[in-house]
Amino acid sequence: GQNIDQPTEMTATEGAIVQINCTYQTSGFNGLFWYQQHAGEAPTFLSYNVLDGLEEKGRFSSFLSRSKGYSYLLLKELQMKDSASYLCAVGPGSTLGRLYFGRGTQLTVWP
Amino acid sequence: GAVVSQHPSWVICKSGTSVKIECRSLDFQATTMFWYRQFPKQSLMLMATSNEGSKATYEQGVEKDKFLINHASLTLSTLTVTSAHPEDSSFYICSASRDKVNQPQHFGDGTRLSIL
Repeated sequence: GQNIDQPTEMTATEGAIVQINCTYQTSGFNGLFWYQQHAGEAPTFLSYNVLDGLEEKGRFSSFLSRSKGYSYLLLKELQMKDSASYLCAVGPGSTLGRLYFGRGTQLTVWP
Repeated sequence: GAVVSQHPSWVICKSGTSVKIECRSLDFQATTMFWYRQFPKQSLMLMATSNEGSKATYEQGVEKDKFLINHASLTLSTLTVTSAHPEDSSFYICSASRDKVNQPQHFGDGTRLSIL
């Protein structure tokens, strides 16, 4: 089966740094994606990792360790608008484009 | 701008009504599209994989006769919820990506379906 685990909730203050962890166990691996989803809206793509290491994109960075089945999303200089659910998703590779999603981490940023 | 368009955004209708939701890829062709359902405060649950020119592949527990999927062209997939009941009320989202490895899925804006 597929298992993707991430914390349910996190809180942080404006300007801070927060790290959202994701562990996965899937039959096959073809990349790990992070999406942001605001309440009532569809997810938007944030980052993609297929090789080990850190991918940096502005205030957001994502890290992957395939041997450990582990990824994290790092958000720097937090802003109120970063309050959202962050979804970790793994592509097993069996079907092009198919993703398995974690349940999402609800991040609340306080002033 | 949006690369995947989903319509309608909201549907409110009576129990027993059939509802059709459209998902279009706007500037690329998508052999495969995906349909998800999301209940409040829960994650996205894959319902089915829509395959252009062939039958959809449904996930375990999803009734294929209730959720009809048609992928008649490389830019359009439709999901029809037949004889909808209140328990079908949910947020339905489609996704598509360019037919290349490692391309991210782009999501439509979702359809909020409320069955009275």
